[in-house]
Amino acid sequence: EPEVTQTPSHQVTQMGQEVILRCVPISNHLYFYWYRQILGQKVEFLVSFYNNEISEKSEIFDDQFSVERPDGSNFTLKIRSTKLEDSAMYFCASSDRVTSNGYTFGSGTRLTVV
Amino acid sequence: GQNIDQPTEMTATEGAIVQINCTYQTSGFNGLFWYQQHAGEAPTFLSYNVLDGLEEKGRFSSFLSRSKGYSYLLLKELQMKDSASYLCAAGNFSGGYNKLIFGAGTRLAVHP
Repeated sequence: EPEVTQTPSHQVTQMGQEVILRCVPISNHLYFYWYRQILGQKVEFLVSFYNNEISEKSEIFDDQFSVERPDGSNFTLKIRSTKLEDSAMYFCASSDRVTSNGYTFGSGTRLTVV
Repeated sequence: GQNIDQPTEMTATEGAIVQINCTYQTSGFNGLFWYQQHAGEAPTFLSYNVLDGLEEKGRFSSFLSRSKGYSYLLLKELQMKDSASYLCAAGNFSGGYNKLIFGAGTRLAVHP
């Protein structure tokens, strides 16, 4: 079964440092997403991406965040200057159409900011 | 605003049936999803309802009433491996694009 792949699985970074989280969506999917889940809290939408541009972003997704699809397979989330409160699981997801009946989530990157 | 409510925790016995309820108040509603999430892992898709009624898929069934803003997930013949969090999520369609709005999840503990 096709998978969404995320790397790394764990990342520890110092406050103020830049991090890039990587995702390889399912190859024939067109819509890409980042969600995050702070430990013990609910999964929250960050951003959606289609046709090489952001289609929607949440209030969480401020100027410190950016997304990019640098080539035909990767989809990245960059946090420019990490804060302690950015510590969370970050999930990438993809779907094949805009009103999908099932998004596929990657296994996540656990980001710890110290 | 967007609001999704589900119980925080439930317990059940192996072999039994459990129903996890979810109520929602969201704009741009575009279907109701249920996901299973084991601790430290990604959400795994279980079911999707866009029309009123019951959808059955093996041991799992999901029900939706759009007029009442209500859904439930029914798990039959519970197994120990069903111990997990169950996430209710509303599809939200706005500006031509879709996203998921999640509830806080229901942590289900299945005991022998």
